[in-house]
Amino acid sequence: AQSVTQLDSQVPVFEEAPVELRCNYSSSVSVYLFWYVQYPNQGLQLLLKYLSGSTLVKGINGFEAEFNKSQTSFHLRKPSVHISDTAEYFCAVSLIGGYQKVTFGTGTKLQVIP
Amino acid sequence: DVKVTQSSRYLVKRTGEKVFLECVQDMDHENMFWYRQDPGLGLRLIYFSYDVKMKEKGDIPEGYSVSREKKERFSLILESASTNQTSMYLCASSLRREGTNEKLFFGSGTQLSVL
Repeated sequence: AQSVTQLDSQVPVFEEAPVELRCNYSSSVSVYLFWYVQYPNQGLQLLLKYLSGSTLVKGINGFEAEFNKSQTSFHLRKPSVHISDTAEYFCAVSLIGGYQKVTFGTGTKLQVIP
Repeated sequence: DVKVTQSSRYLVKRTGEKVFLECVQDMDHENMFWYRQDPGLGLRLIYFSYDVKMKEKGDIPEGYSVSREKKERFSLILESASTNQTSMYLCASSLRREGTNEKLFFGSGTQLSVL
């Protein structure tokens, strides 16, 4: 079985400052990793995903994430945040092969302060 | 673009009622999912289906059942609604492709209140 841990439930950050949202996963087999974003009063949408290859993955809106197999982490980063980045961010994992079941973390609310 | 439609945005039911939540997708996706979203708990998978008439339990299937008689439709059933099933319910779908995992497309959600 797979699981995802997002240790930070809320992350306040000033506008134009860098941010890192942490995600750790647990699985006995290889996984695919995802970050989804939910803007206020909107549905979830994919931010970026890691399937294979380069461990640094770039997504939409200037976000990127780095897959670290030894630390079982997939932290999300942005060098300079904007007010419009205020949203809830969810890390998710899916086992390679199998039924493509996707398991989500508990989410991190990013609050960008002007 | 893919559209995942959930039949109701808000629903209010009484304890003990049988509740049906409907989800329809228009892009011929094989995979369909039902999640519930609760503050502080994130999204928790209730059931998913990888083909017509096929279903797999997720992490919290107790008190729920599902039906997938047609590829485009995935129904979530609460046999006897209870107050602890008050939640936002999200349906999602994805294309099934070997060797990869396609992104999920989500519906706008159904906020269910059980009184």
